[in-house]
Parts: sequence; structure tokens; C-alpha cells
Amino acid sequence: DTAVSQTPKYLVTQMGNDKSIKCEQNLGHDTMYWYKQDSKKFLKIMFSYNNKELIINETVPNRFSPKSPDKAHLNLHINSLELGDSAVYFCASSQDYVGYGYTFGSGTRLTVV
Amino acid sequence: GIQVEQSPPDLILQEGANSTLRCNFSDSVNNLQWFHQNPWGQLINLFYIPSGTKQNGRLSATTVATERYSLLYISSSQTTDSGVYFCAVVNYGQNFVFGPGTRLSVLP
Repeated sequence: DTAVSQTPKYLVTQMGNDKSIKCEQNLGHDTMYWYKQDSKKFLKIMFSYNNKELIINETVPNRFSPKSPDKAHLNLHINSLELGDSAVYFCASSQDYVGYGYTFGSGTRLTVV
Repeated sequence: GIQVEQSPPDLILQEGANSTLRCNFSDSVNNLQWFHQNPWGQLINLFYIPSGTKQNGRLSATTVATERYSLLYISSSQTTDSGVYFCAVVNYGQNFVFGPGTRLSVLP
């Protein structure tokens, strides 16, 4: 069983489209995260959720909206995609907010053309 | 916010060699972790180490919280150790901050 699963693995879409990336964890963790990794491998946190509540929203464009229907799921919806949104997006989860048991998903490579 | 630096930025080793990677951070932290991103992009949690020393096989890590640094030791390196090593720190009420990474290449 995959601990943190993301779908899709690859996503190619045109500018202006709206897309979603899904994330599910079966570890019973309380905290989930979304990260963006650029072409230089820098990892930047976008959102953190603890028990379905957004705890910190980093400065990301309003076009990005996280949605957590329950504490096992954290989906990322992106409106009006731009070329600069092309990156690898990672979902992660941890047992608590200081990161015990931190586990990453396998990533979603988003390409905007 | 907290600043995280890692050194060296790039490291090339011959298989079997030992290496030390360093992570410096600018403020006290509640947690520090080391991650390995393999050449296929998968991120693996290596150590949860806010302080002290831990060992896992050929890898060990030491965090000296009072001096705001952590070290990751890799002994008898193997080609499968190649990839990028990240350290990340966090404080209560704040988000994780990742360092820029050390890119390691182990040559056969």
C-alpha cells in the first residue's frame, strides 16, 4: 500500500486551463502539505493542513486553492494555469506539525504549454 | 524567517569514500530533518533529528541545536546514494523551511 499517493503523476495542459491534483495518505497522520519544486530543485512549501484546517498559507497566488474533505485527503486545485506554474508538486504528510514520520508522495510533474 | 544553508552545494565521490554534509540554520528550531531525493525524484525521510546523534546503517546524523548546525555522514558511499540531500527545519506555528540541498554524485 502506498503511504502517500498523488494523482496524476504527469499533467500536461494549456495555459488558462483549470486542473486538480489529488493526494491521499493512509498513515493516519494529522498534518498534510503541498510543496512546489522548481527546475533548480528548490523545495518551497505552499500549504499546510492540520486536521482539515489550514494552519499556514504561504504567499502563493490565489489561483491555487487547497481543499481537504477529511484529514486523509488534501487536494490542490489550480485555476487559470500559467507557464510559470510548470514544476513538480509534492504532497506530504506527517504525524504532527513538527514533522514526525514525514512522508512524501511521488510527485506530480505539471507542464503548462 | 529562518534561513537554512547547506554545504557543499555539489559533491562528487568515488564509490567507497566517506563524506560529511552540513546544514546551518539561523535560529533555534523545534525540529530538523534530513531527506534524500534520488535521481528518480523520490523524496525519502532519512532522519528526524532535532538534537543529538542517530545512525541508520551507513548513514548517521548529528544536530547541535545550541550551535545551529547539523551534519549528515555517509560512509562507504554507494552509487545508490547519489541524488540531492536536503535538510529542513521547523518551529511551532511556522512552516518547514528547506535548505537548497547538496547534490551528491557517487561514481563507480
